[in-house]
Amino acid sequence: EVQLVESGGGLVQPGRSLRLSCAASGFTFDDYAMHWVRQAPGKGLEWVSSISWNSGSRGYADSVKGRFTISRDNAKNSLYLQIDSLRLDDTAFYFCAKDVATTVTRVDYWGQGTLVTVSS
Amino acid sequence: SYLLSQPPSVSVAPGQTATITCGGNNIGGRSVHWYQQRPGQAPVLVVYDDGDRPSGVPERFSGSNSGNTATLTISRVEAGDEADYYCQVWAGNTDLVFGGGTKLTVL
Repeated sequence: EVQLVESGGGLVQPGRSLRLSCAASGFTFDDYAMHWVRQAPGKGLEWVSSISWNSGSRGYADSVKGRFTISRDNAKNSLYLQIDSLRLDDTAFYFCAKDVATTVTRVDYWGQGTLVTVSS
Repeated sequence: SYLLSQPPSVSVAPGQTATITCGGNNIGGRSVHWYQQRPGQAPVLVVYDDGDRPSGVPERFSGSNSGNTATLTISRVEAGDEADYYCQVWAGNTDLVFGGGTKLTVL
């Protein structure tokens, strides 16, 4: 059974940093691209970032480019999102999601999400 | 960047057919995927590659895609289908795009 478990969310002040983690199990992690998708309270899904199976390709939404960094450790079956210079509008549930291929195509499984709240 | 547009809400009576659209420039040339999100839960894939269903998704869920509009159709709607529905496409390179979401209300 595919499982994606996010962690690292919490209450953070504007301008601070945070590192989100996603522990993957139930599939061969290094066979698939991975994604981060966020959802502000009461709003829709927003793609944040994606990374290919071997970290050779990474992409970011314009809204986070330069502040967010996606990475993965295939030996640890883990995906990460480093968030710097947090802003109030970064407040959201952050979902880890698995692709169906080695490169970015679409999502087939989602984690339950971790909440990041940016507030002074 | 590529944009997808969805109606904010769709309402349907139980047993009727719900149609949710996803508009995009020549979207018919792309593969469209649909996710269902019930309140407080993570999204779940219900249709992929325009019209295929993952195992476990009822045959009542179907999809089509042509021209500038992709469509998710839910036949014989049940109360449990009430949720938000999102379309998604691959926008090139490493980018995904989601539609704004449609809230399906079962009357």
